[in-house]
Formats: sequence, structure tokens, C-alpha cells
Amino acid sequence: QSALTQPASVSGSPGQSITISCTGTSSDVGGYNYVSWYQQHPGKAPKLMIYEVSNRPSGVSNRFSGSKSGNTASLTISGLQAEDEADYYCSSYTSSSTLLVFGTGTKVTVL
Amino acid sequence: QVQLVQSGAEVKKPGASVKVSCKASGYTFTSYYMHWVRQAPGQGLEWMGIINPSGGSTSYAQKFQGRVTMTRDTSTSTVYMELSSLRSEDTAVYYCARVSPHYDILTGPPDYWGQGTLVTVSS
Repeated sequence: QSALTQPASVSGSPGQSITISCTGTSSDVGGYNYVSWYQQHPGKAPKLMIYEVSNRPSGVSNRFSGSKSGNTASLTISGLQAEDEADYYCSSYTSSSTLLVFGTGTKVTVL
Repeated sequence: QVQLVQSGAEVKKPGASVKVSCKASGYTFTSYYMHWVRQAPGQGLEWMGIINPSGGSTSYAQKFQGRVTMTRDTSTSTVYMELSSLRSEDTAVYYCARVSPHYDILTGPPDYWGQGTLVTVSS
């Protein structure tokens, strides 16, 4: 089971919007709505930002939104802020023997 | 509030074993499966396996089959991950992470994560 494919880096200026893609297959992202997104600051544990493709947990800013089309899920951060600078990972349930697969990770830089 | 508190950092020699603990609180321990995920320095997240805290059943990533053992102690709401035959490539931060109750499957992606345990393998 290969990792889901994400761009290595994405950058934007404060106030702008950016989108991070997460491409898998019909056995994971494309086959189920079991996709989550995590934010990870250096030296910290991942934090859940989006679950079930597009839902935000309580306490997560509405500047974060998720969507999916076919085998690709996306995370959009609108109104980019300095505190959004971090690594972001997608994850998906998979029907293979590897029950959970993560994306390769994307470093978001706020210019 | 949900908390997952892991044991402290470990330094091991190649060929040794390490056992990491993860104590859960703030929810019914036996109601949600627990993932174990690791992250090598500067690398991404890698799924290792999952345990059902209720019955103790497990499923491991093929890469770790034969080297990893996940167990639980319901009396202390603690899950354990033991990795044997350690090599330098096993140097990583190891996380426990609870399956999110938002999903209608038992083995969906996690919501809460432990703080991580750094395991360093060095001679």
C-alpha cells in the first residue's frame, strides 16, 4: 500500500487561500468518505482538522475546509495566517490489509 | 477531556526490544480501537497497526509483521506497543492515536493523539 500523494510544499501570503491535494486510489480516498486531515507543528503531535472529508471538529477554525472529487481529496485554508504554517497530512481508511494510509505530507509556508 | 499519555523517551541498542505505553483517560477505553503510528526524523507518518482494547484483537502493517506486538490492560486503560529486533531505521517518534468516533467503522482515521515517544536506536 503506497502513501497518498501530496505536494511537498505550498505557500501563500497572509490573507490568501491555498489548497492542498491528496491523491489516492479507488481502494482508499476514492472508495470511501473516511478521509481526515491533520496539522502538525514542529515537535508536536498531529492535530485533527477535518474528518469524513469535509467536517470540522469543534474548535477548529472555519477557515479550514475539505472536499473530495474522485480519488483526490483537498484541504483549503482561507484567510491564511502565520499560525497556519505547519505540516499537513491527509489520511484515509483503505480496503487493503493496511487499514490506514497517510499522505506524504505538505509543508505550508506563510510568506 | 480525552487524553492519551505515553511513556518517556527510550534509547536502545540494535537488536533489542522496546515497549511503549499509552494510558487513556476521559472516555470509555474499550469503546474505541487504538492505532499506532510512527514518524522517523524529518519524515512522514507511517501506520504500524491497530488494537481493539475490548477484545485485544490486532491487525499489523505487513512491514512490521513478526516484529510488533500490541497489547492492552483494561484495568489501567493502557495500550502497549512492543517492537523487537530494533535497527537504526526504527529510530522515530511513536504515537498512539484513538480511532475517531465520527466514523461508522471501527478502524477509521484517528482523532486524538498521544504526545509521542521518541525511540532512538544506536550502538
